[in-house]
Amino acid sequence: NAGVTQTPKFRILKIGQSMTLQCAQDMNHNYMYWYRQDPGMGLKLIYYSVGAGITDKGEVPNGYNVSRSTTEDFPLRLELAAPSQTSVYFCASSYGQGTYEQYFGPGTRLTVT
Amino acid sequence: QKEVEQNSGPLSVPEGAIASLNCTYSDRGSQSFFWYRQYSGKSPELIMSIYSNGDKEDGRFTAQLNKASQYVSLLIRDSQPSDSATYLCAVKGGNQFYFGTGTSLTVIP
Repeated sequence: NAGVTQTPKFRILKIGQSMTLQCAQDMNHNYMYWYRQDPGMGLKLIYYSVGAGITDKGEVPNGYNVSRSTTEDFPLRLELAAPSQTSVYFCASSYGQGTYEQYFGPGTRLTVT
Repeated sequence: QKEVEQNSGPLSVPEGAIASLNCTYSDRGSQSFFWYRQYSGKSPELIMSIYSNGDKEDGRFTAQLNKASQYVSLLIRDSQPSDSATYLCAVKGGNQFYFGTGTSLTVIP
C-alpha cells in the first residue's frame, strides 16, 4: 500500500493564481482531512470529509474548497492565492466508525509571492 | 474555541532517561486523544491513541489520560537519540481534530 500520497511536493504561486493540491489514499478509509501547518504552530484543520460526497469545514476554511467524488481522492482547491496561504499542507485519512487514528501524507510546501 | 495546550519546550533528556510530555485540553466532552511524532521537515506519524482513563503502554511509550483533569501525557522510557523530534498532542472533538503546537524533545547521547 502506498498509504496517503500528495502531489506536488513543492509549489510556488503568484498572488491571485489558483491551484489544486492532490491527495489520494489506498487504505479504503472513509474519513479524509486537510490541514495546514505554519512554522512553530500546530496543525489547523481546513476541511474534512466523512465519505464520498460529504465534506465539511474545519477551523480555517476561508480561501479553500474541497470535493470528494470518490473514497480514494480528496483534492484541495486554492482560489486567488494570497501570501497568508503560504504554509505546509498535509492530507490525512482515518477509517472512522470508532477508529480515528489518522495517517498523514508527506505534505505539500506552498509559497505564495 | 477548543484549545489544546502543550509546553513548547525544548525538553532535553539524557539518553536512557524517561521523557515526560504533557498536554491539556479545553473541551470536556472530548473522548479520543492521540500522540504524534514529527521529525523536522516530515509529516506527523502516529505513536499512540488513548480513549479511556488510565495508562496505555506500547513498547517504550506510555500514554496517560485523566479526563477529570483534562490532561493527557506521554512517557518515553529509555529515551534514544532517534526519539529527538517534536511531539504533537491531538484531541478529537466531534468530527474535528485539534492539535497542540507541539513539544520539541532532544535526547542527548
